[in-house]
Amino acid sequence: GQNIDQPTEMTATEGAIVQINCTYQTSGFNGLFWYQQHAGEAPTFLSYNVLDGLEEKGRFSSFLSRSKGYSYLLLKELQMKDSASYLCAVDRSNDYKLSFGAGTTVTVRA
Amino acid sequence: DGGITQSPKYLFRKEGQNVTLSCEQNLNHDAMYWYRQDPGQGLRLIYYSQIVNDFQKGDIAEGYSVSREKKESFPLTVTSAQKNPTAFYLCASSAPLAVEQFFGPGTRLTVL
Repeated sequence: GQNIDQPTEMTATEGAIVQINCTYQTSGFNGLFWYQQHAGEAPTFLSYNVLDGLEEKGRFSSFLSRSKGYSYLLLKELQMKDSASYLCAVDRSNDYKLSFGAGTTVTVRA
Repeated sequence: DGGITQSPKYLFRKEGQNVTLSCEQNLNHDAMYWYRQDPGQGLRLIYYSQIVNDFQKGDIAEGYSVSREKKESFPLTVTSAQKNPTAFYLCASSAPLAVEQFFGPGTRLTVL
């Protein structure tokens, strides 16, 4: 089976930094996605990592270590609008199927 | 505006009734997907289709059926055989040879 783990909830203060970890054990691995999902809405794409290392996109950065089966999403200079669920998803096969973690709900406090 | 539409946003049905959820995209994407999302669980793949007139079962296809008669449309039928149909259903699509999936706004189905 596929095993993708991420923390259930995290809370941080406006302006702070939060790191959301994701560990995975899957039968195949092509790359790893991070999506943001506000309550009751569609997930929206944040990042896709294929190679080891850190990729930065504005306030959001994503890191991947393929040998360790580990990724994290770093959210800097937190804003209230960043309160959402963050989904880690593994692209595990050549037929474009994704396996999702349960999501991490981030709450940003003033 | 290009995008994926799902209708309706909220749907209520009585137990034992079949119900069809709509998904339409005008992104000219070949591949389309249906996921189910339950509280505390990740998105789970129900069915997916990579081209018109072809579709494959995902991880939890039992109690569901789909059709792909047109590139733009991928309706999902939740049958009475689905034991726990109340959930948030998300449709997605992706471009040829692209991995990123774009999601529709979702339909929240409640079976009473």
